[in-house]
Formats: sequence, C-alpha cells, structure tokens
Amino acid sequence: GAVVSQHPSRVICKSGTSVKIECRSLDFQATTMFWYRQFPKQSLMLMATSNEGSKATYEQGVEKDKFLINHASLTLSTLTVTSAHPEDSSFYICSAPRASGGSGSEQYFGPGTRLTVT
Amino acid sequence: GENVEQHPSTLSVQEGDSAVIKCTYSDSASNYFPWYKQELGKGPQLIIDIRSNVGEKKDQRIAVTLNKTAKHFSLHITETQPEDSAVYFCAASKSWGKLQFGAGTQVVVTP
Repeated sequence: GAVVSQHPSRVICKSGTSVKIECRSLDFQATTMFWYRQFPKQSLMLMATSNEGSKATYEQGVEKDKFLINHASLTLSTLTVTSAHPEDSSFYICSAPRASGGSGSEQYFGPGTRLTVT
Repeated sequence: GENVEQHPSTLSVQEGDSAVIKCTYSDSASNYFPWYKQELGKGPQLIIDIRSNVGEKKDQRIAVTLNKTAKHFSLHITETQPEDSAVYFCAASKSWGKLQFGAGTQVVVTP
C-alpha cells in the first residue's frame, strides 16, 4: 500500500491566492522529504529538500519566498505556493526516503497534487 | 552535480516481447539507482532499485543491471503486458541524498 500521501490531490485556485499542499509519511518517520514539480511530458525537477527542525534547502532558481516549506513533524511536510500565478500550474509531488536496511534507503513518492491557477 | 541521461525517449513493443531502457550517470560517487514507473496523473512508483555493490538484480519480469566502470545501468522488462505501458524514469543518488532523474521513457505495449 501507499507509504506517502498527499493532500489535496487536485486544487484550482485564483491568481494571487496561496495554496497549501501536505505530504505525509504513513508508517515511518521522515526527517527529510523532497518536493518536486513536473510539467506535462517532462521529468521530475527537484524544488527543495524539506528538513525536520531546520530550514528547507532550495534548488537553484526556486524562489524560497514563493514556495514556503514547513517540516512540522517527523511525518508531515507542507508546501505553500504563495501568490500563485498561472505559470505555477503544475503537478507537485513529494517524496520521502525510508530506511531499507544497512545504510541505504528507498525513496517513495506521494500520488501528486495537480495545481491549476486560473 | 549529477547528470543522468536516459534512452530511448519512447519505446513501442509488441506484447510478450522484451523492453530495455538504458541510463548513464556522471557522478562516480552515486551509489543508488532506482527505477520508477509513472502512470498518467499519478506519482512515480518504485519498481526496482540497485546499489553499487551489486551488478544485477531481478524481480519476476523486471531486472536491472549496473556497470559501475562505464557508469551505466539498464532496466529490462520481459514478457511485456499492456499494463506495463507507462513512463519509466531512472534516477541516481548517493545513499540518502536527493535523486537526479533521467528524462523518462514512454513505453507502449501493443496487444
């Protein structure tokens, strides 16, 4: 079954408003989570690394004041798209690494959130 | 940083035939190579992965091979079925680090 959930699965908002997306690890704790954005027919592009108890780390070119990330607990990270514009319309996906034994981990993805800004 | 290249971008196969997708990576420090299947409108699903201390791994109809010297790894799907149709992504990372994805391969299995 699913190990990472996202909410909402789909959201439509008006230009200028803010939207919050939640990402939860369901049966394990995740001190780190990742947020990706995916445009149609393209690959996943990492936006930021969410760290529990500290500030998120943003990839080059991603505006930290526009995409606010809060890692509220060991199972929850939120991404808030502030002052959304039509060009922010995309598929947002989170992921979390889960220990797989030894020193390794497997990274599981949420089902994604389709954001449409009108 | 890491750069992952994936080929082909599209792959059409007859049901029952095999499909092979190849990826290369640039960072010799990468040691974890997962493969994901993504269906339309859904998040990527981990289907198989391999670590750099292993050369090959198999799970039923799916297998992955890794050549550390050449820095490339491949996904093999045998006896393809229509439900194998999806976009497949390879990725590379270091242990618990962030994943760098390939561009994806659209696989179409025709009955």
